[in-house]
Amino acid sequence: AQRVTQPEKLLSVFKGAPVELKCNYSYSGSPELFWYVQYSRQRLQLLLRHISRESIKGFTADLNKGETSFHLKKPFAQEEDSAMYYCALQSGNTPLVFGKGTRLSVIA
Amino acid sequence: DTAVSQTPKYLVTQMGNDKSIKCEQNLGHDTMYWYKQDSKKFLKIMFSYNNKELIINETVPNRFSPKSPDKAHLNLHINSLELGDSAVYFCASSQGQRVEQYFGPGTRLTVT
Repeated sequence: AQRVTQPEKLLSVFKGAPVELKCNYSYSGSPELFWYVQYSRQRLQLLLRHISRESIKGFTADLNKGETSFHLKKPFAQEEDSAMYYCALQSGNTPLVFGKGTRLSVIA
Repeated sequence: DTAVSQTPKYLVTQMGNDKSIKCEQNLGHDTMYWYKQDSKKFLKIMFSYNNKELIINETVPNRFSPKSPDKAHLNLHINSLELGDSAVYFCASSQGQRVEQYFGPGTRLTVT
């Protein structure tokens, strides 16, 4: 069965510090991996997906098939990055499976 | 304003009542979804419709019945509401299935 694990429920960092939000998945095939973000009082929205290999708002995520990970990174955290972050996996026509989310709090 | 919209935004009701939540998307997408987000912020798929046909029906009590009158709408009707149904319900849509999903603002349901 597909599973997405985000081990940290809450991550607090100081402004300007590097951020890494961890995501591990279990799936034997070739999954599609996403990071979604939910800012306070806003709807859930796509941040980035592994297939596009782009950087959005300074965030990047690399799919590591050997470690089955898709960690989200940013070199210098900003206060506006404070939000709930969800890692999600999809394969074939099965539904999108979300991790339990990590709340990032960036302290000024 | 192109988006996924849901009504109502907040719904407070008593146990045993029947209620509906409506969702509309004007993005021209062919697939729509309902998700439940519990008090611990865990998001789980409930249903998915593609071109008005049910394609995903996760383990959800049959008190929950989705209805898609057309491709742009997916409503969720809940019978005999229970305390455990209290959650935020999100509608989403996408064009195809292994692509970005666009989410609605959510409906916070509180059952007392």
